[in-house]
Amino acid sequence: DTAVSQTPKYLVTQMGNDKSIKCEQNLGHDTMYWYKQDSKKFLKIMFSYNNKELIINETVPNRFSPKSPDKAHLNLHINSLELGDSAVYFCASSSTDRGSGYTFGSGTRLTVV
Amino acid sequence: KQEVTQIPAALSVPEGENLVLNCSFTDSAIYNLQWFRQDPGKGLTSLLLIQSSQREQTSGRLNASLDKSSGRSTLYIAASQPGDSATYLCAVPNTNAGKSTFGDGTTLTVKP
Repeated sequence: DTAVSQTPKYLVTQMGNDKSIKCEQNLGHDTMYWYKQDSKKFLKIMFSYNNKELIINETVPNRFSPKSPDKAHLNLHINSLELGDSAVYFCASSSTDRGSGYTFGSGTRLTVV
Repeated sequence: KQEVTQIPAALSVPEGENLVLNCSFTDSAIYNLQWFRQDPGKGLTSLLLIQSSQREQTSGRLNASLDKSSGRSTLYIAASQPGDSATYLCAVPNTNAGKSTFGDGTTLTVKP
């Protein structure tokens, strides 16, 4: 199936831990994103990578570090997790073809306790 | 800076009613506009993608229109069903590569 897949779907961890979320797309898209959806359900972009290069880095704590080993993968590593990091994190992809829309992964629900 | 607004924030209708969800954007220099559906605890499912050169797109009971000059898009749902209950979001890609601005969504409840 062509899709954007994220792992894990759920992540429960203690404050101060370091964790990673992985994302892969097999759609042949050249741009990938990380979005955060908070408890109020608002979607905010965090990072965007185009052909493995960072093109958008919104105001996000530097505890969050994205890594794109290739065009099909964009991972998110979070250091020293805090309670406020609890949210749903969505990976998405698109093509720089201006007609392309966005395809989203199913999300990773992160709970920091 | 592109800003996207969706009104109303919540809508409750009886089953069978036709309804319209609204999306407005401040910068009309867009490539396209995309409507998504999100069910509780789930990801975003793309419903319709309208290119800037198009006026509308249809998929089943859904019809999305786009008026770039006025900075508005509408999502029309015909003969609503309880299964249509979800949050509907519109997204407008920024003219700078990579960034999409999302509205805050309209939460629709269709009562049997």
